[in-house]
Amino acid sequence: EAQVTQNPRYLITVTGKKLTVTCSQNMNHEYMSWYRQDPGLGLRQIYYSMNVEVTDKGDVPEGYKVSRKEKRNFPLILESPSPNQTSLYFCASSSTGTSGSTDTQYFGPGTRLTVL
Amino acid sequence: QKEVEQDPGPLSVPEGAIVSLNCTYSNSAFQYFMWYRQYSRKGPELLMYTYSSGNKEDGRFTAQVDKSSKYISLFIRDSQPSDSATYLCAMTAAGGFKTIFGAGTRLFVKA
Repeated sequence: EAQVTQNPRYLITVTGKKLTVTCSQNMNHEYMSWYRQDPGLGLRQIYYSMNVEVTDKGDVPEGYKVSRKEKRNFPLILESPSPNQTSLYFCASSSTGTSGSTDTQYFGPGTRLTVL
Repeated sequence: QKEVEQDPGPLSVPEGAIVSLNCTYSNSAFQYFMWYRQYSRKGPELLMYTYSSGNKEDGRFTAQVDKSSKYISLFIRDSQPSDSATYLCAMTAAGGFKTIFGAGTRLFVKA
């Protein structure tokens, strides 16, 4: 079954304690992305990756890091989490297709993070 | 001003009604326009995808793009309680890798 998986699904942590949220896709997609979803603000892009070892900032990258060492995995790293990073996080993947654009994204189930 | 504006609702309609959901945008470089549906506690899933201007129909769903007005719409005919969800519009520029989402409109269809 084609899917994007995220772990953990729920996480409560404390300020400053480094954490990693994993994301994996089994569709051989070149493009992967991380979003955060907050009430009234919709989905905002944190980082994206066009392919292995190629990443770029989205609209809200501050406080986050990513890496893309393998095509299927795209972990999100919070080196020193703060309460304003409490949010619902989604990983997504897409093939770039003939358009070269990321038109159809497949989303993971989400990770609800609370930073105390 | 946000690049993409979407009324968050909530929008409540009776079963069988025609639903109209809309987004406006400011960036004329957007060429790909998508509608995603998100059920509670789930990730968004692609519902409709349109390139440039025009209409696209898929069953009870019709997507319209008016690039001259920078306005996109999603129509749902014969709405069902199972259509109750949050609907997010999304846009990408040609050759682009950044997708901008609207805030989402929460829809309730009452049986």
